[in-house]
This record gives sequence, C-alpha cells and structure tokens, in this order.
Amino acid sequence: QITLKESGPTLVKPTQTLTLTCTFSGFSLSTNGVSVGWIRQPPGKALEWLALIYWDDEKRFSPSLESRLTITKDTYKNQVVLTMSNMDPVDTATYYCAHNVGIALRPGYWGQGTRVTVSS
Amino acid sequence: EVVMTQSPATLSVSPGERATLSCRASQSVNINLAWYQQKPGQAPRLLIFGASTRATGIPARFSGSGSATEFTLTISSLQSEDFAVYSCHQYNYWPPTFGQGTKVEIK
Repeated sequence: QITLKESGPTLVKPTQTLTLTCTFSGFSLSTNGVSVGWIRQPPGKALEWLALIYWDDEKRFSPSLESRLTITKDTYKNQVVLTMSNMDPVDTATYYCAHNVGIALRPGYWGQGTRVTVSS
Repeated sequence: EVVMTQSPATLSVSPGERATLSCRASQSVNINLAWYQQKPGQAPRLLIFGASTRATGIPARFSGSGSATEFTLTISSLQSEDFAVYSCHQYNYWPPTFGQGTKVEIK
C-alpha cells in the first residue's frame, strides 16, 4: 500500500525559506521509473506543479519558480525534501507530494497535503 | 506553458442526471490528459488518464474522450458522492498544468 505524508511548518514569515518533507511508504525511490513530485494549490485556485525528482536523481522544476526551489531525496529514509526560498504571501497554499511511475506524469497517489500560510 | 481552460466553472446537476465537463488546451497535448476529482479538504483523486483510460477502481459511469486540444469528461448518472471539483491535467509538456476546475454541484 502506497502512502505519502507531508510535514513542515504551517506558518512562515515573508522572505523566510520553507522546508517541507514528504515521507512515504509502499515504494522505493530507487526503483527504475519512480518519481515524487510536489504540487501546490493556493486557496480557491488551480493546482500547480513545483518540482519533481526521479529515481535516478534527475530533477525538474517549474520554470517560474526554479530559482527558489531545491528538491532532494533520501532513499534510505524514504523521504523527499522540498525547499522554497524567499517566501511571499502569494505562496500561501496547500502543498502536496505525489507518487508517479514512468514518464507520464499523472500521479495516482497523493499525500493529504499540508497547509502553509505566509504572513508576518 | 500550456494553459488548460475548463468549462463551465460550475455545473448544477440533479442526482441521476448526466454531467458533461469540457477542457481545452492552448496547444495540442495529444492524449496526455488526465482528469482528477477533488473534494473539500482532500487530495486529488485520479479518475482518467490517457484521455480515456479509467484509473484503477474508478466506476464505469466516468468516461473521458478527446485528443489534441479538446477533451470531455462525462459522468453518466451522477451519484451523491460525485459532487466535487473536477480538474483536467496535461502532462504532455513540462511543466504539467491543471485547469482551474469545474465544480459539480447538486441542483
């Protein structure tokens, strides 16, 4: 059974760096073709892909946010960590991590999401 | 970036009726199109991928069609648990992009 769970702060101040951890079970991020992505959803708005990390450590980032994002994996701990620098109130959103297999990025397993508010 | 436009924004339907949701891509995405269902406070649930293939465990009342830039999700007979927001998602290009969603509400 595949499960994912996001964790991190619920409130960050403007200009701070956000660090989110996705802890998963039921699969290995060392298996060929597996990837974990981060997707966010501002209140009342559309879902937005942020970043993706593959089993072979290849990484992809949203072009509009690339300069602010890092993504890393710890295969032994079954975790993926996303950092986003220089947070702004417009970054207030629910952040999800999601599991994908293969080159077609249509995740079938998602975490429950973690709500992050950016406010001073 | 590919822009996904969904219509209508809100669809009012009575239980048992048919619902037809539309999604348009700003450029061809072939059949690399998925549909997700989302209920308040929950993560998205994959319904359809490859424009027309139901994901595991998805009831047959959900069907998808289309290719290139025009796609449709049809729910043949709405059940109470189907009232939710539905989003289309193209994964032909990086970054993948979602539509803004169609809310299916009880009439």
